[in-house]
Amino acid sequence: EVQLVESGGGLVQPGRSLKLSCAASGFTFSDYYMAWVRQAPTKGLEWVASISYDGGSTYYRDSVKGRFTISRDNAKSSLYLQMDSLRSEDTATYYCTTGGNWGQGVMVTVSS
Amino acid sequence: DIQMTQSPSLLSASVGDRVTINCKASQNINKYLNWYQQKLGEAPKLLIYNTNNLQTGIPSRFSGSGSGTDYTLTISSLQPEDFGTYFCFQHNSWPLTFGSGTKLEIK
Repeated sequence: EVQLVESGGGLVQPGRSLKLSCAASGFTFSDYYMAWVRQAPTKGLEWVASISYDGGSTYYRDSVKGRFTISRDNAKSSLYLQMDSLRSEDTATYYCTTGGNWGQGVMVTVSS
Repeated sequence: DIQMTQSPSLLSASVGDRVTINCKASQNINKYLNWYQQKLGEAPKLLIYNTNNLQTGIPSRFSGSGSGTDYTLTISSLQPEDFGTYFCFQHNSWPLTFGSGTKLEIK
């Protein structure tokens, strides 16, 4: 069974950092591009970042470019999102996804 | 950036109805269009990928069509469990973008 389990969310002050993790199982992790998608409370879905099979290519939406870093460890079947210089508008549930499979999401709240 | 304009934003229909949801891209997305269903408090679920491919385990009453800039999700006979919000998603070019969603209510 495919599983994606996010962790690392929480309440953080503006300007601080947080690192999200996603543990994957039930499929060959290195065969998939991976992505982070977020959803602010009561809002729609917003793509955040993607990473290629081997991590050699990364892609970001403009609003997080230079602040967020997506990475992966294929040996550990894990995906990461390092979030720096957090802003209130980054408050959302963050999902780890292959596109076809999604984690349950982890909540990030940026507030003083 | 490719803008995805989804319509309608709210849809109320009865069990057994045929329902269509539309998505228009601001430029050609070469059929790289997925449809997701999301229920309150849950992660999105992939229904259709690359315009017209039914994801494994999804009922055949769901279908997708389209090309170029115009795409449609059709539910042939609405069931009570089909309530939720539907999103289109283009993965033709970066940045990837979602439609704003269609909330489907069952009358």
